[in-house]
Amino acid sequence: GQQLNQSPQSMFIQEGEDVSMNCTSSSIFNTWLWYKQDPGEGPVLLIALYKAGELTSNGRLTAQFGITRKDSFLNISASIPSDVGIYFCAGHGSGGSNYKLTFGKGTLLTVNP
Amino acid sequence: DGGITQSPKYLFRKEGQNVTLSCEQNLNHDAMYWYRQDPGQGLRLIYYSQIVNDFQKGDIAEGYSVSREKKESFPLTVTSAQKNPTAFYLCASTYTSSYNEQFFGPGTRLTVL
Repeated sequence: GQQLNQSPQSMFIQEGEDVSMNCTSSSIFNTWLWYKQDPGEGPVLLIALYKAGELTSNGRLTAQFGITRKDSFLNISASIPSDVGIYFCAGHGSGGSNYKLTFGKGTLLTVNP
Repeated sequence: DGGITQSPKYLFRKEGQNVTLSCEQNLNHDAMYWYRQDPGQGLRLIYYSQIVNDFQKGDIAEGYSVSREKKESFPLTVTSAQKNPTAFYLCASTYTSSYNEQFFGPGTRLTVL
């Protein structure tokens, strides 16, 4: 089946630093989604990307749909303590079912005040 | 307010007992999903349903059962056949006209003693 490789697995940063994480696939994806999960809660959708090359921002968050359609990245600028959580990438592959999302394993972000 | 509710938030059961997790949505979404989350393994699809009275197995359906008698509800039963049921369970839903963006409930943490 389709798989997403998300990196890094974890990050420990100081408040105010910028953060970058990415997701790659061996096959083409039609959609990229980025979710954030707070401890003990369900994931919340942050950004959705639908076109290759698309760059979308949501406050301090910026995500891009890679030109090759096989990758996406998420940047967080000027991190704050409430950015702590697990960030997941997800998407629909071109060869997969439209009904199912493929998820990365997540990036655990810790922000030191 | 529109959203997805899961109950209870925490559930404890003795080994060998079946247990049913509730998921209700008032977003008028057609499709609903159940995921299991274990530390370091991301989200794994258990079952999904695109329409009332129909559902399909996901990647790890063994030991689980579901029903979809109403559009708003998609309960998950964890049976005694599930060998390692302790996990965090997440319900999600989306429109079938655009399967891209799934929205998640707050989750139920099941602990089998």
